[in-house]
Amino acid sequence: DQQVKQNSPSLSVQEGRISILNCDYTNSMFDYFLWYKKYPAEGPTFLISISSIKDKNEDGRFTVFLNKSAKHLSLHIVPSQPGDSAVYFCAASAETAAGNKLTFGGGTRVLVKP
Amino acid sequence: KAGVTQTPRYLIKTRGQQVTLSCSPISGHRSVSWYQQTPGQGLQFLFEYFSETQRNKGNFPGRFSGRQFSNSRSEMNVSTLELGDSALYLCASSLAGMGEYGYTFGSGTRLTVV
Repeated sequence: DQQVKQNSPSLSVQEGRISILNCDYTNSMFDYFLWYKKYPAEGPTFLISISSIKDKNEDGRFTVFLNKSAKHLSLHIVPSQPGDSAVYFCAASAETAAGNKLTFGGGTRVLVKP
Repeated sequence: KAGVTQTPRYLIKTRGQQVTLSCSPISGHRSVSWYQQTPGQGLQFLFEYFSETQRNKGNFPGRFSGRQFSNSRSEMNVSTLELGDSALYLCASSLAGMGEYGYTFGSGTRLTVV
């Protein structure tokens, strides 16, 4: 049962243009959503998060949008830079009495072409 | 400020053996989680420790176990290794729970079972 899905396994974009990564979820109990960036043989690096009570969060070139009714979130990277080429993971968390855990999507490989 | 440190970085073991992986969280972080990354299953939650107590566990067999010490350092053990246990094992730490900054991940231990 995949509770978090990234339906696009890869994305290619020209340098300077916008990259839009999408993520869908099924569990309405998720209260935080996060995006991580990952290079091969390294751990994921936290990029940006959004609480379920918000619909938008910005941090520099990164903006995350949350549509709770559609159970959908997206990450916008503007402008895209060659160094942004990596795998991006969407993750969600639900706070419970048993603590927290991150449920990850399958990832989207982004290639930014110079 | 030192990040999350995982040792060793690479490990090759034979089927049937057991292995212990180590994780030193960021100083002051009390929550340590472990994740497994494989090409087929993506990033999956193994367990979380907080103040030396396991408070959350993923859907992995009992061969996977862990512990946390009083200094918050954590170890993960896999007994009776199987070929399918070959993966990148990631440790992540946070102050207490998830929060808006998520977890900080280490670079991982690449385990190969032959």
